[in-house]
Amino acid sequence: GENVEQHPSTLSVQEGDSAVIKCTYSDSASNYFPWYKQELGKRPQLIIDIRSNVGEKKDQRIAVTLNKTAKHFSLHITETQPEDSAVYFCAAPRGGNQFYFGTGTSLTVIP
Amino acid sequence: DGGITQSPKYLFRKEGQNVTLSCEQNLNHDAMYWYRQDPGQGLRLIYYSQIVNDFQKGDIAEGYSVSREKKESFPLTVTSAQKNPTAFYLCASSIVPGQGFDYGYTFGSGTRLTVV
Repeated sequence: GENVEQHPSTLSVQEGDSAVIKCTYSDSASNYFPWYKQELGKRPQLIIDIRSNVGEKKDQRIAVTLNKTAKHFSLHITETQPEDSAVYFCAAPRGGNQFYFGTGTSLTVIP
Repeated sequence: DGGITQSPKYLFRKEGQNVTLSCEQNLNHDAMYWYRQDPGQGLRLIYYSQIVNDFQKGDIAEGYSVSREKKESFPLTVTSAQKNPTAFYLCASSIVPGQGFDYGYTFGSGTRLTVV
C-alpha cells in the first residue's frame, strides 16, 4: 500500500544551526502535506502544512518545501533553539482526509 | 486545552479485561479518529468516523471497538481480543473537507495504556 518514508530517525544539531527532515511519498495524486511536532509526553501539534499548488511555505523559522516531481517534501528549521527539541512527524493523504504518517524524527538541539 | 480531551491519561488493564478510552471534542468537527502510537513506528489508524452513528475500520481495527452516538464523543474500547494493547493512544478530530481537499488534525493529549 501507499506509505510515507521519513529520514533521519534521529537528528542532533547545535543551537543556532539548521535542521532538515525529509519525507517521500508514493501517490502522485497527493496534494496536502502537514507536519506535526510532538514534545515529550504531549500531543502532536500541527506546525506547518503545504498544498501541492506551491513549492515552499514559510512561517518564521520553519519552512516546508515540496518537490512534486521527485515526490518528496522537507521540513526546514533555521536558527534552532532548545525548545525545538521534539519528535517531528510528516504525513501524506490517503483519501477521505486520512493520512499515512512517517515514523518520526527525534530532534535534539544541543545548547 | 486545545478543544479535544482524552481521559484517562494513564490506564492499566489486566489480562482479559475490556477498557474504554474517552475522547471528547468541542471544536464542532464532524470527523474523529483513533490512532495507536508505538515506539519507532508511525501513527497507525484504528477507527475513524466522519458522521454521527457511522464509523469505519482503519488498518489495525482487530481487538478494538468504537461508537459515535454524539458528534462530540468517540470512545474507544480495547477488548480482551487485542493481544498487544500496551501503547499510546491518540484521538484526533478534523473538519470533513470537500472532495480531494484535506485538512490537518487536532490531536488529544493521549492515553497511555499498559497491560499488567
